Amino acid sequence: QSALTQPASVSGSPGQSITISCTGTSSDVGGYNYVSWYQQHPGKAPKLVIFDVSNRPSGVSNRFSGSKSGNTASLTISGLQAEDEADYYCCSYTTTTTVFGGGTKLTVL
Amino acid sequence: QVQLQESGPGLVKPSETLSLTCTVSGASINNYFWSWIRQPAGKGLEWIGRIYISGGTNYSPSLKSRVTMSVDTSRNQFSLRLTSVIAADTAVYYCARDVRCDSGNCYYGLDIWGQGTMVTVS
Repeated sequence: QSALTQPASVSGSPGQSITISCTGTSSDVGGYNYVSWYQQHPGKAPKLVIFDVSNRPSGVSNRFSGSKSGNTASLTISGLQAEDEADYYCCSYTTTTTVFGGGTKLTVL
Repeated sequence: QVQLQESGPGLVKPSETLSLTCTVSGASINNYFWSWIRQPAGKGLEWIGRIYISGGTNYSPSLKSRVTMSVDTSRNQFSLRLTSVIAADTAVYYCARDVRCDSGNCYYGLDIWGQGTMVTVS
């Protein structure tokens, strides 16, 4: 099972919006509505920010949103803030396995 | 408040077996799926496997031959064993709560994570 494909890095200025893509196959991202996204700050455990493609856990800012089209999922962060600077990972659950993306470093300029 | 805590040796010799335990507090282990994930220094997340309370397991195809997971409901713990370790198994190992089902609806995301434990193979 290959890792999902994410851009290595993205950047944006405070107040702007950015989108991180996550490309898989019809066997993972495209076959299930079970994509999740994680934010990880240096030295910390990952934090769930989106589950089931587009749902936000309680307590996560509504500036975070998720979507999916075919084999590609996307995470959008609007109104960028300095605290959003972190690594972001997508993840796809299937009935037999789970696979992560390689991660995207978000820099807030 | 649900919390997870990993425990186990921080140093394992090559060719030996890595054993870690995750203790769950604030929730019954019976109602969820549970996963192990690892992260080598400076690299991305790698899913290792998951266990259901029925004892069913799913493992990463790349680690399947070396991984065993188990659960101890009486202690509200689940465990990971990774055999024949090599230097490339050096990583921070996390346990996390996985799929959760409520009233017939299931939600897919690793919503609660332990703080992680560093394991060095040397």
